[in-house]
Amino acid sequence: AQTVTQSQPEMSVQEAETVTLSCTYDTSESDYYLFWYKQPPSRQMILVIRQEAYKQQNATENRFSVNFQKAAKSFSLKISDSQLGDAAMYFCALNSWGKLQFGAGTQVVVTP
Amino acid sequence: GAGVSQSPSNKVTEKGKDVELRCDPISGHTALYWYRQSLGQGLEFLIYFQGNSAPDKSGLPSDRFSAERTGGSVSTLTIQRTQQEDSAVYLCASSFSRDGYTFGSGTRLTVV
Repeated sequence: AQTVTQSQPEMSVQEAETVTLSCTYDTSESDYYLFWYKQPPSRQMILVIRQEAYKQQNATENRFSVNFQKAAKSFSLKISDSQLGDAAMYFCALNSWGKLQFGAGTQVVVTP
Repeated sequence: GAGVSQSPSNKVTEKGKDVELRCDPISGHTALYWYRQSLGQGLEFLIYFQGNSAPDKSGLPSDRFSAERTGGSVSTLTIQRTQQEDSAVYLCASSFSRDGYTFGSGTRLTVV
């Protein structure tokens, strides 16, 4: 069985600062993908970043980067230079074969 | 189409009535997923299609819920004898491969 755990219900960050969201997971598979999705109030799920498990190099997309620790089964998201538009619910997700499993989410609040 | 289309975007129904929710995936996407998101909660997996078959129906909450997919394209999620606890946003996603999933904007179902 796959599980995804996000232990931070809410994180607050000031504009231009950096925030890190944590995610741990469990799977018996060795070949899988990890994702971070953003869900603003519009409820549209937007892919932020993805990581292939067999790639050791951490993925980066502009101001978003991950710290992927495969042995520890940890997949944290760092948002640098936070902007007001980054305010949203962020979900960590795991896919090995078939089902895409989501964590409970972390609400990111950005203050001016 | 260019994206995943869900209809209706909002549905209000009386308790005990049946409802049908529709998902039109991106053309060529072989996998299709249904999720349920209750207010302020994470995404609860319902069912997954690969082509027209459903390898994983484990998330359907009760026998009042059913889903089908025809022609490897459009999928319909049917909820019979709706209950108030069925009120939620129902999200659909499609993918061609494990490294990318595109979500629709969801159907907000309210049972009164």
